[in-house]
Amino acid sequence: DAGVTQSPTHLIKTRGQQVTLRCSPKSGHDTVSWYQQALGQGPQFIFQYYEEEERQRGNFPDRFSGHQFPNYSSELNVNALLLGDSALYLCASSRGTGYGYTFGSGTRLTVV
Amino acid sequence: GENVEQHPSTLSVQEGDSAVIKCTYSDSASNYFPWYKQELGKRPQLIIDIRSNVGEKKDQRIAVTLNKTAKHFSLHITETQPEDSAVYFCAAQSGTYKYIFGTGTRLKVLA
Repeated sequence: DAGVTQSPTHLIKTRGQQVTLRCSPKSGHDTVSWYQQALGQGPQFIFQYYEEEERQRGNFPDRFSGHQFPNYSSELNVNALLLGDSALYLCASSRGTGYGYTFGSGTRLTVV
Repeated sequence: GENVEQHPSTLSVQEGDSAVIKCTYSDSASNYFPWYKQELGKRPQLIIDIRSNVGEKKDQRIAVTLNKTAKHFSLHITETQPEDSAVYFCAAQSGTYKYIFGTGTRLKVLA
């Protein structure tokens, strides 16, 4: 039973560029949440997708956007990258309301 | 706004001793409190959780206690082992769909 898979594992981008991160949820899960984890900090909620719609959003600017596909997989897009966007981006899947997230291993984004 | 405070930020214990990590949350509507363990370079893994209709929950060497009146919850690890060394995060569900995480506790178990 595959868990949550994220790609790519590492990424280096230049300021001002755009990036797309991908997530496939655990089998049986229909909800995908994205978190940003800066070094030495706890994960910060970006947004959650359910039934292909953004269900809730954290305190992140509009440069952060996402999408969920009919097969429940999801993408996180970040435009106009800033140095401060450098972080580990974690995808978490769950079923329904979200109790008991399963996290992926994350994508380490470095903006130079 | 919503906030979860976690203490201590680092904790060193001798193998076999107990470790306690404490969290305080601000959103009185929170009703679900998971704890995650994150080893270096790995994903956060759920180790135990508790819902607001329960005061304590145990799973072998790990226990979590919840005081809803004081908005406190704690993780207790007994008989610590070197493989317990990791960063531990508490979280509180805020609203229906998101978790607010604490800033983490780096636990070192000394052999």
